[in-house]
Amino acid sequence: GAVVSQHPSRVICKSGTSVKIECRSLDFQATTMFWYRQFPKQSLMLMATSNEGSKATYEQGVEKDKFLINHASLTLSTLTVTSAHPEDSSFYICSATFSAGVEKLFFGSGTQLSVL
Amino acid sequence: KQEVTQIPAALSVPEGENLVLNCSFTDSAIYNLQWFRQDPGKGLTSLLLIQSSQREQTSGRLNASLDKSSGRSTLYIAASQPGDSATYLCAVVLNDYKLSFGAGTTVTVRA
Repeated sequence: GAVVSQHPSRVICKSGTSVKIECRSLDFQATTMFWYRQFPKQSLMLMATSNEGSKATYEQGVEKDKFLINHASLTLSTLTVTSAHPEDSSFYICSATFSAGVEKLFFGSGTQLSVL
Repeated sequence: KQEVTQIPAALSVPEGENLVLNCSFTDSAIYNLQWFRQDPGKGLTSLLLIQSSQREQTSGRLNASLDKSSGRSTLYIAASQPGDSATYLCAVVLNDYKLSFGAGTTVTVRA
């Protein structure tokens, strides 16, 4: 099956710093990528949808200036958490699709962000 | 807004017992419903996808049913094994791509 690689798997940073998370589709061209966050014992919540070459669409309540998403190529999307604070500590996970249908949706392995 | 609820939140069974995981959703106008498995600190693995026109899907020891009119889906895992221990997530899709997830059921199968 198709593979989505997410890096890093775990990151610890100091409050006020920025953290970049990468999501790569290894063997297909991802027309659309999605970013989710998950707090312990809670559902995954969609943060934003990104299409290659265009601006990301953010879900209501998600600060686009804080969570910068770039989808510069068909195989790479990045999520940058700017000026991270402890409340940004969460599990972030990306998914990617290459067809018009959620059947072809593949998930990365996630990134556990801890902000001290 | 679509709300997805999974009951129970946690389940512990002895090996060999059958598992029944429940998922309910508030908006019956779904495109499809998916069940995922999530291991601690890991990504999601798709288990089964049920189109809105279908009533069930089966894969090996897994069987998922869908009753769209009542807003319910059930995942059955037959003859559970310790390797089945994980968190199982239910997700519904209203429009293409966007999934609404439940909080999951954490399953522990005791050897």
